[in-house]
This record gives sequence, C-alpha cells and structure tokens, in this order.
Amino acid sequence: DADVTQTPRNRITKTGKRIMLECSQTKGHDRMYWYRQDPGLGLRLIYYSFDVKDINKGEISDGYSVSRQAQAKFSLSLESAIPNQTALYFCATSDFASGVPYNEQFFGPGTRLTVL
Amino acid sequence: AQSVTQPDIHITVSEGASLELRCNYSYGATPYLFWYVQSPGQGLQLLLKYFSGDTLVQGIKGFEAEFKRSQSSFNLRKPSVHWSDAAEYFCAVGAYFDNTDKLIFGTGTRLQVFP
Repeated sequence: DADVTQTPRNRITKTGKRIMLECSQTKGHDRMYWYRQDPGLGLRLIYYSFDVKDINKGEISDGYSVSRQAQAKFSLSLESAIPNQTALYFCATSDFASGVPYNEQFFGPGTRLTVL
Repeated sequence: AQSVTQPDIHITVSEGASLELRCNYSYGATPYLFWYVQSPGQGLQLLLKYFSGDTLVQGIKGFEAEFKRSQSSFNLRKPSVHWSDAAEYFCAVGAYFDNTDKLIFGTGTRLQVFP
C-alpha cells in the first residue's frame, strides 16, 4: 500500500463550488504539506503543518484553507473554486530528525483538479 | 532571495546517450539540495540529495549529481539514458526563512527519450 494517498485522484468541478482534497499518510510523519503544480511554474507551497495544532500559510494560500484532523490526515479545501485553481495538487510528508534540517519529503500521487 | 533555476525547460536525448540536467540555486547559507523525478501520472520521487560531505552524490536509477559551491550548481547526470527515464525532473533547495525551513523547487526540466 502507498504511504501517502490522495483522494480523489481526478476531479472536475464548476466555478463557485466547494471542494475538499484529502491526504492520508501511514509514514508516521509529523510534517505535512500541500503544493500545487502548474506547467512552467514548478511546485508552489500552499499550506504546511508541523503537527496537529500547527498550521502555516505557504506562498500561495489565498483561496485555500486546510484542516489537520489527525497526525495522519491533512485536507485542503477550496471554499469557492475558480478556474485559475485548475492544477495538479500534491500532498507531501516529512519527518523531523534532530540535526537534519531538511529531510526528504515523500509525495502522494497527486490530484488533478479542473475548475470549469 | 532564495531561488532555484533550471534553465532547460525541455531536453531530448537518444536512448543510450549521456544526460546532464542543469540546476543553479541562490541561497545565502549552506544549501541542502535535492533532485526529484516525476514520471507521468505519478508523484515525485527522490533521486538523490546533498547535505554535506562528498560533493559527488549517487542516487537511485543510476543518477548522480555534483555540488559545485563556486558555481552555485547541482547538476544531475546519467551516463546512459534509458527510455524509462523519460519524465520531469525537479531540483530543489532546502531554505530557512519566515522562521521555518522550506523546500524551494525549480520549474522543472522535461526529458524526452528517443529510441
């Protein structure tokens, strides 16, 4: 079984709709991240969480919100979807290790979201 | 400001040819550098990472990368490309700003392999 799973894998929705993307992990990591990928722009950080009570905005958080329901679950919501939120969304996890400031991030398979 | 530049958007090579993907970073402190690969329809997989020590690092799938501080570069290489290497490759730098550590990605290089 995959260590980081994302649901749904593909979603088509209409402008103005509320949508939630879910991420679950079995790696036991404390840190979780949401990124969006757009062609030619690479990956940009939307939100990140270092534990259940810690939520932080990334570089492009406008129009998004998140919920860390448990150590293993981190959801991304679009309260009112708009077409320029059409993108590939990735969830990632990492572990904090003393003495290692930047640990490897493990990525889910992605959710392709289309907003019409 | 922290940034990663991958100057080649798209590279095409023949199977069996050698490969070098370029990556330049801008970061004022000691860089922590990563290369990830994204196969079609897949998430990102770590190929290799550099934290310290030997500047030539070996990764999975026969890839290696060399850290050159004087050139602020971390180029990815493979001596003989296989058709299965066709994918998008991302360079990233671990940076500390806004009171936390973050991973800054380049815009990616898409590799196409011809038989």
